Amino acid sequence: QVQLQESGPGLVKPSETLSLTCSVSGVSISTYYWGWIRQPPGKGLEWIGYIYNSGSANYNRSLKSRVTISRDTSNNQFSLRLSSVTAADTALYYCAGVDTDMDAIDFWGQGTLVTVSS
Amino acid sequence: QSVLTQPPSVSGAPGQRVTISCTGSSSNIGAGYHVHWYQHLPGTAPKLLIYLNNNRPSGVPDRFSGSKSGTSASLAITGLQAEDEADYYCQSYDSSLGGYVVFGGGTKLTVL
Repeated sequence: QVQLQESGPGLVKPSETLSLTCSVSGVSISTYYWGWIRQPPGKGLEWIGYIYNSGSANYNRSLKSRVTISRDTSNNQFSLRLSSVTAADTALYYCAGVDTDMDAIDFWGQGTLVTVSS
Repeated sequence: QSVLTQPPSVSGAPGQRVTISCTGSSSNIGAGYHVHWYQHLPGTAPKLLIYLNNNRPSGVPDRFSGSKSGTSASLAITGLQAEDEADYYCQSYDSSLGGYVVFGGGTKLTVL
């Protein structure tokens, strides 16, 4: 059974960098591809980006200048870094895995709330 | 504003059939990109409901079905049940955004 678990600070100061890690169990992250989705309070889902089997990544154009998704295959984890955060980055952040046969997000973490505030 | 447009809310009585639309354009659904649907209950992780336009993952009841035509897609739920009350999101890709993933704005389903 594939399980994902997000970890990282729940509070980040404005202008600082948000860093989250997703630990994956039940499958090697070299299989499928992985990414981050967020949901601001009272709003819908927003795609942040994916990291592919090749190790390359693709990001939401609106966040591209601030976001980096990386992976640590030895620890079966992948990470999100979002720089220069503002209150608009306050959201529930989900890590997710895409089943390449389905081409859809079939694996989700439970989500972690990150609040940007001084 | 989302690239994919969904109605903010739909409702139906138990046992009824409801549909949720997802309207896109020639750069996403109309370009042939697949549509997926997710069910999101408050406090839980979203769940894949329909993939590749009209396929159900194992464990998803056949009360849920998806379709796609032109620049739009739809999710149909028959035999509505109280536990179907949730938010539903469509998802596709958009070539104008470099093949980026796009979500609809979400639809709140209320079971009356």
